[in-house]
Amino acid sequence: DQQVKQNSPSLSVQEGRISILNCDYTNSMFDYFLWYKKYPAEGPTFLISISSIKDKNEDGRFTVFLNKSAKHLSLHIVPSQPGDSAVYFCAASVGQGAQKLVFGQGTRLTINP
Amino acid sequence: DTAVSQTPKYLVTQMGNDKSIKCEQNLGHDTMYWYKQDSKKFLKIMFSYNNKELIINETVPNRFSPKSPDKAHLNLHINSLELGDSAVYFCASSPQLFSNYGYTFGSGTRLTVV
Repeated sequence: DQQVKQNSPSLSVQEGRISILNCDYTNSMFDYFLWYKKYPAEGPTFLISISSIKDKNEDGRFTVFLNKSAKHLSLHIVPSQPGDSAVYFCAASVGQGAQKLVFGQGTRLTINP
Repeated sequence: DTAVSQTPKYLVTQMGNDKSIKCEQNLGHDTMYWYKQDSKKFLKIMFSYNNKELIINETVPNRFSPKSPDKAHLNLHINSLELGDSAVYFCASSPQLFSNYGYTFGSGTRLTVV
């Protein structure tokens, strides 16, 4: 029973365009969401997070949107750069802390020059 | 200066063997975790420790035994290895048990059981 799902295993975007990565969840108790970025042979690194009291959080080129009624979140990267090519994981937790994160299976983003 | 370091990076071993993976963090964090990335690429929590105290044990077979000698170290010992244990194991740490800024992960240990 996977509570967090990323239904697109891969996404290819042209450099300079917008990348949109999607994530769906089933547990309505989740109230804190995070995105991680992972390069090959490295551990995931924290990118951006959002609390359920917000519907948008922005950090530079990265914006996360949360639609609680649809149990859906998305990560927008604008403009996309070659260094953004990586696997992106969304994660969720119950409670404001990251005590126990439930991860999706990741989406591999490739930015083409 | 690696923040969360795991050793070894790769581990190939035969079924039935016992092996350990070590993890150390130099961030001064109170909480450490073990996650397993399975064949379907999901990262799933196995254990968490806070100041050497076991907090989460996520229905992991008792062949897996974590050991935290101090809050900077969380080792994972696996007895009687099985083929299904093949996976990438990630150690992580966070400043405290309820941390809003996510974890810092190690680079992973790829375990292959043959």
